[in-house]
This record gives sequence, structure tokens and C-alpha cells, in this order.
Amino acid sequence: AQKITQTQPGMFVQEKEAVTLDCTYDTSDPSYGLFWYKQPSSGEMIFLIYQGSYDQQNATEGRYSLNFQKARKSANLVISASQLGDSAMYFCATSKAAGNKLTFGGGTRVLVKP
Amino acid sequence: DTGVSQNPRHKITKRGQNVTFRCDPISEHNRLYWYRQTLGQGPEFLTYFQNEAQLEKSRLLSDRFSAERPKGSFSTLEIQRTEQGDSAMYLCASSLGQDQETQYFGPGTRLLVL
Repeated sequence: AQKITQTQPGMFVQEKEAVTLDCTYDTSDPSYGLFWYKQPSSGEMIFLIYQGSYDQQNATEGRYSLNFQKARKSANLVISASQLGDSAMYFCATSKAAGNKLTFGGGTRVLVKP
Repeated sequence: DTGVSQNPRHKITKRGQNVTFRCDPISEHNRLYWYRQTLGQGPEFLTYFQNEAQLEKSRLLSDRFSAERPKGSFSTLEIQRTEQGDSAMYLCASSLGQDQETQYFGPGTRLLVL
């Protein structure tokens, strides 16, 4: 079974600063995907970034980058130049090689202060 | 809007009643997923379809739950004899149909069972 652990239940970050959200995972699958989603108070899950287990380079999408350390089984999300609109819950998730169902962590709440 | 849509967005019902939720995926997406999210937790997988075939069901999906995707397009999730423990956000997601592909989520249906 897959398991995702997000150890930071909540974080404050100053506007325009960078923030790192921790995610560790446990899987026996040789091939897997790692995802980060943002969930604002409205409830919709918004896809942010994806990293495949065999990707050599860390994924980047605009202000989002994923610090992938396969040996440590960690996939931390870095948000640069935080904006007030970044205030939300952030979920790390992993998918199996087959079936693609997602296993989510418990989430980290980020509050950006002006 | 060509994203995933869900109806209704909110549902309040009395214990023992039946409820049905609908999900319309992104039009060319073959896979459709249902997740449940309780307050303060990450989403949990319920079931998924590849076209009209239901390929996997979580043990969370008790006999009171049934999901269909009759023509491989929209899907319905029915809960019979609702219980207070069914109160949650029900999220639908879709993807093109390859492993480790990104799933795109709808806005969710928030269910409250009184």
C-alpha cells in the first residue's frame, strides 16, 4: 500500500517570500507519480505540478518547483515569491503504476501574510 | 467551461434518505474517479471507471454506495439510506486514461446528513 506523510499541519509565510512544503512517501511500486494539488476554501482541487519516479530532473511549473529526492522518498514543494492568493491547503499525492488512483497526504495549510 | 463539473454543489438530507450525485468529466477523458474527503483530511479513493467499466472499488465503498457510468461519459454516485457518517465532500476527477496521468478535479459536492 502507498502512504503519504505531510508533517506540517500549518504554516505562515510572508508575502513575496519562498516556502517549502514537506512530503514523504512510502511505496513498493517501482514506477510511480508524485503530484501536488492546491485546495482553496472553495473546495476544488487544483493541480499544480507532477514528477515521475524516473524523471531525472526536478519538475518546475512557474512559481512551483518540486524538490525530488528519490533515495529519501521525499517530494517537497517549493513556492517562490508567495502571493496572498497562495493561501490554501496543499496536498501531496502519489499514484500507482497501474490504475492511477491517487493516495493523498493529510495536507498542509498555508497562510500568506501581507 | 470545459472542466469537470459536478451537481449539485451542496446537498442537505435527512438520515435514511437516498441521494445521487452527478459528475461530467472533461469530454475526451476516458477515466473517471470518485473520492471522498472528510473535514481536515485528504481525499480518499472510492472507485474509478475506464470508459463505462468500473475497474476498482475501495473497501470504503459499502453496499449502500453505487456508482455508474453507463455510456462512458457522465457518472453518478448514489448513496442509499444515508448515515451521518456519510457527511463529506465528494470529489470527481477525470484523466485521459494513461497511468500516472494528471487527474483534474471538479468543484465537489458537499453532503450534509442531518
